[in-house]
This record gives sequence, structure tokens and C-alpha cells, in this order.
Amino acid sequence: EAEVAQSPRYKITEKSQAVAFWCDPISGHATLYWYRQILGQGPELLVQFQDESVVDDSQLPKDRFSAERLKGVDSTLKIQPAELGDSAMYLCASSLGTGDQETQYFGPGTRLLVL
Amino acid sequence: GQNIDQPTEMTATEGAIVQINCTYQTSGFNGLFWYQQHAGEAPTFLSYNVLDGLEEKGRFSSFLSRSKGYSYLLLKELQMKDSASYLCAVRDSNYQLIWGAGTKLIIKP
Repeated sequence: EAEVAQSPRYKITEKSQAVAFWCDPISGHATLYWYRQILGQGPELLVQFQDESVVDDSQLPKDRFSAERLKGVDSTLKIQPAELGDSAMYLCASSLGTGDQETQYFGPGTRLLVL
Repeated sequence: GQNIDQPTEMTATEGAIVQINCTYQTSGFNGLFWYQQHAGEAPTFLSYNVLDGLEEKGRFSSFLSRSKGYSYLLLKELQMKDSASYLCAVRDSNYQLIWGAGTKLIIKP
């Protein structure tokens, strides 16, 4: 069964350092999402790509966060500099498209701890 | 504003039935999803409702009433492995998913 791949699974960093997360969506999935999830809360959308184009990055803290999907396949999310409040689970999801009945499938996530 | 309400936590007994409710107020409606999330893991898709009524899938069923802005997830013959958080998410008029905070389900033997 096809899965969304993410790496690393865990990351510990010190504040003010740079971190990067990688996501490889299910093959053929045009839409890719990056979410942040704080313990006890639902996922919060950071950025959505349709192929290589950003569709929605309204909730992305652009002063420190950046995301790219250069060839419309895999994607990287970067934080520079990391802050204590960035400690969370970062989830990547993908879907075939965005129409009716399109379901988002999630990768295993990257758990970030900023010290 | 957009809002999804779910109980924070529920407790049930192994072998029993539990119903997890979700009420929503969103800008438009283009479907409702239920996801299961075990502690420290990613959400996994359980069910999708876009029309009123009940969708059954094995031990899990999901119900939707669009006029009431209400859904529930019904879990039958509970097993210990069903201990997890259950997330309700609604797709709004912009096809964006609005997520609830999740309901933590604790199963006791």
C-alpha cells in the first residue's frame, strides 16, 4: 500500500538553529499539505501545494518558515530560526486533488523538540 | 468564525458501543471526515460523509445531518486497540479542512 514518507521522525534542536523536514507524497498525488499539530489539538494547516504551486500559505509564519515543492513531487519545510514554541508534530499529507471525496493521507510525522 | 466541537475525552468498556459526537459551524460544507490518531502517530482516515445518513464500515459507522450541523462516529464491539483520539474535520466552501481538537477515547477492560 502506498504511503506518505517523512523524515526525520524525530528532531531535537536548540532555539535559533535551522531545521528542515522532508516529505514524499503518495505517487500521483498532486496536492501536498504541511500541518503542525500541538498535543491535544487538531492539525493546523501551514501550507498547501497543488503540484509545485502554493495554493494556501496564509497560516505559515513567513518570517521564519519556508516551504518548497520544486518539481511538484517531494517537499521540504524549513524553520529558521527555530523558537521554543515551534515544538510540535509536523505532519505531511497528500491527496489526488481537492475535489469531492478527495481524502488526505498522512505520513508518520516529524516530532520536533526545540530546547 | 468556523468551529468544530467534540468532547475532549470519553471512556468506554471493552466490547461495548460508544458514540462520539461532532457539531460544526463552517463557511459552507463539502464533506465531513473522521480520522483516528493513536498517541504519537499520524491521523489515519476512517470515514467520509457528504450526504445525510449513515455510512457503515465494519465496526465503525458515521452519521451526518447537514441541517443540524451534526455528525457522530459509532464504534461497536470496542477493542483495546481502539484507544486513540478521534478527529472530526469538515471541508468548507473553499475545500479547506477545518479540524476539531479531537476526542480522546479510553477503553477499559
